[in-house]
Amino acid sequence: EDQVTQSPEALRLQEGESSSLNCSYTVSGLRGLFWYRQDPGKGPEFLFTLYSAGEEKEKERLKATLTKKESFLHITAPKPEDSATYLCAVQATGANNLFFGTGTRLTVIP
Amino acid sequence: EAQVTQNPRYLITVTGKKLTVTCSQNMNHEYMSWYRQDPGLGLRQIYYSMNVEVTDKGDVPEGYKVSRKEKRNFPLILESPSPNQTSLYFCASSWSSYNSPLHFGNGTRLTVT
Repeated sequence: EDQVTQSPEALRLQEGESSSLNCSYTVSGLRGLFWYRQDPGKGPEFLFTLYSAGEEKEKERLKATLTKKESFLHITAPKPEDSATYLCAVQATGANNLFFGTGTRLTVIP
Repeated sequence: EAQVTQNPRYLITVTGKKLTVTCSQNMNHEYMSWYRQDPGLGLRQIYYSMNVEVTDKGDVPEGYKVSRKEKRNFPLILESPSPNQTSLYFCASSWSSYNSPLHFGNGTRLTVT
């Protein structure tokens, strides 16, 4: 059964304090791993797709990496506007849908 | 502006009173999907549609219906809502079901009393 576990559930950082969010997954075969950002009262917003182990993608202060069992979302020198819930989702080979984790709620304190 | 539009944003209803949540996208996407989001459970797929007139069950389809008569619209129907369907609902669309990022609407918060 597909499974996605995100940790920690919540993370508080001081502005400028870098850290990483974790997404561990179990799928029969990985078609793709997705990261989304969700702000309160809004729908998730797409950040990255990773397809194979060793792949990395970057966008501003965010960098996503992928291994065969987990993905990390690294946040470098975060700002208060990076505060949001970050969701990880996987798509298994042959599947027509994504399976989401429960997210990490990030708060960046000025 | 490319977007997925859901209506209404908030809905309070009573048990058993049929309701429809509308979803429309203006990106000519083939794939559309409905999710519900509950605390501690994350986003769970209710139904999805690969194209017009093609729909299929997701992980939690019980108590819901959908239709896809036009490419842009994908309404979610609750024929006899129950309190356990109180949730935050999201409609999403993408070019295809294969490794294509989902574009989400801003959600519909449904309360069934």
